[in-house]
Amino acid sequence: DAGITQSPRHKVTETGTPVTLRCHQTENHRYMYWYRQDPGHGLRLIHYSYGVKDTDKGEVSDGYSVSRSKTEDFLLTLESATSSQTSVYFCATLDGNSNQPQHFGDGTRLSIL
Amino acid sequence: AQTVTQSQPEMSVQEAETVTLSCTYDTSESDYYLFWYKQPPSRQMILVIRQEAYKQQNATENRFSVNFQKAAKSFSLKISDSQLGDAAMYFCALPSGGSNFGNEKLTFGTGTRLTIIP
Repeated sequence: DAGITQSPRHKVTETGTPVTLRCHQTENHRYMYWYRQDPGHGLRLIHYSYGVKDTDKGEVSDGYSVSRSKTEDFLLTLESATSSQTSVYFCATLDGNSNQPQHFGDGTRLSIL
Repeated sequence: AQTVTQSQPEMSVQEAETVTLSCTYDTSESDYYLFWYKQPPSRQMILVIRQEAYKQQNATENRFSVNFQKAAKSFSLKISDSQLGDAAMYFCALPSGGSNFGNEKLTFGTGTRLTIIP
């Protein structure tokens, strides 16, 4: 939907390793978001971007960093993955110039052993 | 801070019957949107219906309708003539920023898992 591609779709890694998740969009939307989904918590905002090189923290940003060097790409990095970061990660985009809602990618399932 | 509460972790309904999922919220905005998202086993997040708070008329999309009570800050979703394909997690969501265009950080409820009984 809205040309959002998340990669990888699934990843298993070990505690302490760095992990980068990629969100790529083809809609030229200004705003991009990273959420994590955990049982009993719904989706929670990690970081968001309101333009190239413009990012800000969300509700659960500790242990995560992001970068947006191009409009179409928004990267989420776990510098040193921990088991508590095992989750499903969703990217979303928003035009911001109309009343259209956020569009979501298909999610990345990340398991940290 | 905004909050969204879904007090029913799981619901079930017989096929072809009607079910109502509840959602309450808190916000300091006077005008805002509210959303219901559906997440089937495929994991996609699909927008089901949207309500604008300044509109008194409840939103309807085919078999899906809402009961929006602004004063009570209640936003329930009614699914009529339930079908097997309605089985999913349903999330209520409230965007920040009121009804203005631009950046909107979504606050989600914890979700209700809906099972359809054939």
